[in-house]
Amino acid sequence: EVQLVESGGGLVQPGGSLRLSCAASGFTFSSYWMHWVREAPGKGLVWMSRINGDGSSTTYADSVKGRFTISRDNDTNTLYLQMNSLRAEDTAVYHCAREVAATGRSLDYWGQGTLVTVSS
Amino acid sequence: DIQMTQSPSSLSASVGDRVTITCRASQSISNYLNWYQQKPREAPKLLIYAASSLQSGVPSRFSGSGSGTDFTLTISSLQAEDFATYYCQQSYTTPRTFGQGTKVEVK
Repeated sequence: EVQLVESGGGLVQPGGSLRLSCAASGFTFSSYWMHWVREAPGKGLVWMSRINGDGSSTTYADSVKGRFTISRDNDTNTLYLQMNSLRAEDTAVYHCAREVAATGRSLDYWGQGTLVTVSS
Repeated sequence: DIQMTQSPSSLSASVGDRVTITCRASQSISNYLNWYQQKPREAPKLLIYAASSLQSGVPSRFSGSGSGTDFTLTISSLQAEDFATYYCQQSYTTPRTFGQGTKVEVK
């Protein structure tokens, strides 16, 4: 059974940093692109970043480029999101998700999410 | 960036109703359009991929259509468990933009 479990969220002050983790199981992690998507309170889904299977290619939304870094450890089947220079508008639930090329590059499995609150 | 516009933003419906949600892309995305369902405090769930293909395990009352810039999600007979928010998303290019969501509420 495919499972994605996020952790690492919490309360952080503006300008601070946080690293999110996403533990993957039930599939060959290194074979899949992985994504981060967030949802601010009362708002919709917003795509943040993606990384390819071996970690050599990454893409970011303009809103987080230069502040957030996506990475992965295929030995431990873990996806990461390093978030620096955090702002109040980064407050959201952050989900990791798996992309499947065979289904139109859709995101077929998602984690429940971890809440990040940026506030003084 | 490709903008995805859903309509309506919300709708009220009853069990058994036929429900249609539309999604328009700001440029052609071929059939790289996906639909997700999200319930409060749950992870989003993939319903439809590649505009019209039903994800495994999803009830056949859900269907999708369209190509290019205009797409539709249809629920043929709304069930109690279908009250949720629905999002379209383009997977044609990055950033992988989502529509703003359509909340389906009880009438």
